[in-house]
Amino acid sequence: DTGVSQDPRHKITKRGQNVTFRCDPISEHNRLYWYRQTLGQGPEFLTYFQNEAQLEKSRLLSDRFSAERPKGSFSTLEIQRTEQGDSAMYLCASSLRGAGYNEQFFGPGTRLTVL
Amino acid sequence: GQQVMQIPQYQHVQEGEDFTTYCNSSTTLSNIQWYKQRPGGHPVFLIQLVKSGEVKKQKRLTFQFGEAKKNSSLHITATQTTDVGTYFCAVTARAGGTSYGKLTFGQGTILTVHP
Repeated sequence: DTGVSQDPRHKITKRGQNVTFRCDPISEHNRLYWYRQTLGQGPEFLTYFQNEAQLEKSRLLSDRFSAERPKGSFSTLEIQRTEQGDSAMYLCASSLRGAGYNEQFFGPGTRLTVL
Repeated sequence: GQQVMQIPQYQHVQEGEDFTTYCNSSTTLSNIQWYKQRPGGHPVFLIQLVKSGEVKKQKRLTFQFGEAKKNSSLHITATQTTDVGTYFCAVTARAGGTSYGKLTFGQGTILTVHP
């Protein structure tokens, strides 16, 4: 499968614990995005990378969230001291930067449940 | 940031009926994309519209971009049960000729099709 993959697919954790998610984008894609989606809502932007550079981070994202893409390939999203409000589907997407064209390919997501 | 309003929130149709969802913005958009998310799935890119008044067709799906580039619609002719899912419009910001990466999604329209 040459699509975007995410691991784990499901994560249940207790409030206050740290969690880390991984995303492997399509291999030739230089852009990687993280979104969060709650039930009945559209995906909400969290952050994105071009190669290894983090170009933008949502102002809604608290300091408990951090993302890395150290070698410009896979990315990790860490949430520290999880809260119940962090429960959501965390989606990763990738794209190939091109002039004005930005089709994004989404992974299957990691569903986080914070108890 | 850019925001888009999408209506209706829900649409229930009988198989064979037509379906339309609308996306509206108060500001001029550089482009608009449409995604489909099946129940339990992840968003899948359908199409991107860039030009004023643009109309694109994909089999039974017709996509339009308004003349003022402030609204867009997705129309499905003769719905089938395979059309079930949530349809999202999404926009990107553009500055200085560069298309930014992040997508801002509408709230989505949930389509159910009764056989």
